[in-house]
Amino acid sequence: GAVVSQHPSWVICKSGTSVKIECRSLDFQATTMFWYRQFPKQSLMLMATSNEGSKATYEQGVEKDKFLINHASLTLSTLTVTSAHPEDSSFYICSARDRRGGYNEQFFGPGTRLTVL
Amino acid sequence: KQEVTQIPAALSVPEGENLVLNCSFTDSAIYNLQWFRQDPGKGLTSLLLIQSSQREQTSGRLNASLDKSSGRSTLYIAASQPGDSATYLCAVDNYGQNFVFGPGTRLSVLP
Repeated sequence: GAVVSQHPSWVICKSGTSVKIECRSLDFQATTMFWYRQFPKQSLMLMATSNEGSKATYEQGVEKDKFLINHASLTLSTLTVTSAHPEDSSFYICSARDRRGGYNEQFFGPGTRLTVL
Repeated sequence: KQEVTQIPAALSVPEGENLVLNCSFTDSAIYNLQWFRQDPGKGLTSLLLIQSSQREQTSGRLNASLDKSSGRSTLYIAASQPGDSATYLCAVDNYGQNFVFGPGTRLSVLP
């Protein structure tokens, strides 16, 4: 199956700093990538949809100026958490849609655990 | 707005039992449904993908069924093992848009 990687796998930062998370589709081109957030013992909640070459679409309640998303190529999307605060501590997971074969399947990255002190 | 629920929220069974996890969704106009496994602190592992035109999919000891008209899917696990202990999530694909995830079922298989 298709592979999606995320980097870093975990990060600890001080409050007020910015953190960038990368999501890469390794063996396919992804015109659309999604960013999800998962708080402890909760399910995944969509934050934003990232389309290559255009602005991301954010879900209601997600601050676009705080969570900057860039999808500069067909294999890379980045999420930057600006001026991070402890309440931003969460598990961030990206996914990429592979339309080959017509199955329209989403493949998920391994996730990035962010801890803001 | 699509909503996905899963029953039960948690399940504890002895090793060897067959078990069924349930998933319900409110809008039957889905493109496909996918079952995932998530181990604590880890990412998602895709288990089975069922297209909207399909009724079921099988992989090893896992069998997933889909009844789109009634908005239901079940994941059947045969001969459960301690290694099956994890959280199982179902997610529906709203026609090429985002996935909507259920809250998950936390499964514990006791040796």
